[in-house]
Amino acid sequence: DSGVTQTPKHLITATGQRVTLRCSPRSGDLSVYWYQQSLDQGLQFLIQYYNGEERAKGNILERFSAQQFPDLHSELNLSSLELGDSALYFCASSVAGAAKTQYFGPGTRLLVL
Amino acid sequence: GQNIDQPTEMTATEGAIVQINCTYQTSGFNGLFWYQQHAGEAPTFLSYNVLDGLEEKGRFSSFLSRSKGYSYLLLKELQMKDSASYLCAVRDTMYSGGGADGLTFGKGTHLIIQP
Repeated sequence: DSGVTQTPKHLITATGQRVTLRCSPRSGDLSVYWYQQSLDQGLQFLIQYYNGEERAKGNILERFSAQQFPDLHSELNLSSLELGDSALYFCASSVAGAAKTQYFGPGTRLLVL
Repeated sequence: GQNIDQPTEMTATEGAIVQINCTYQTSGFNGLFWYQQHAGEAPTFLSYNVLDGLEEKGRFSSFLSRSKGYSYLLLKELQMKDSASYLCAVRDTMYSGGGADGLTFGKGTHLIIQP
């Protein structure tokens, strides 16, 4: 158990819908990262927040957005969902940026029908 | 941009040693990570290299050569539970600096351990 929690574990929705994924980092960690893992693309970095502010942006679509709240939990919002958005979405956390280790949560499995 | 290559699949025998190679190309290198991932589960951290050389941690070792853009993960005394995917990831200065450090992952090497 990494100490990072994610909800929900599974999510099934339809094309065109909007969903919100939630992540709570390990106690004391200020950085939160979101990754998407699909069978064909592998694990892809989406976005990083550090102490409430956006720090780095990866391959995140404009239909996706994220934020980190004052209590350091983070939410990833996915809108206008497409079939291709079906994937495992992982949240990771670390003490600070440029850390030696990122700890991954159990993931949210999203299925878009 | 970044490019990370590792073999798609490898097979090894219980009790033996296996080496998983990773080559990378980045615009600015700032650390290499190895993660283990069992199917459907979260990646778990194995090792981190930022300087050239070998880092040893129990049955697992990781090596880095920055000039060659090359790393390997060495697993000794293989056990059946080592059957998993092994992900090589690079922290690129494109995403780092000022506390930013998203990782770029290779597609992973699926390691199969046979009795």
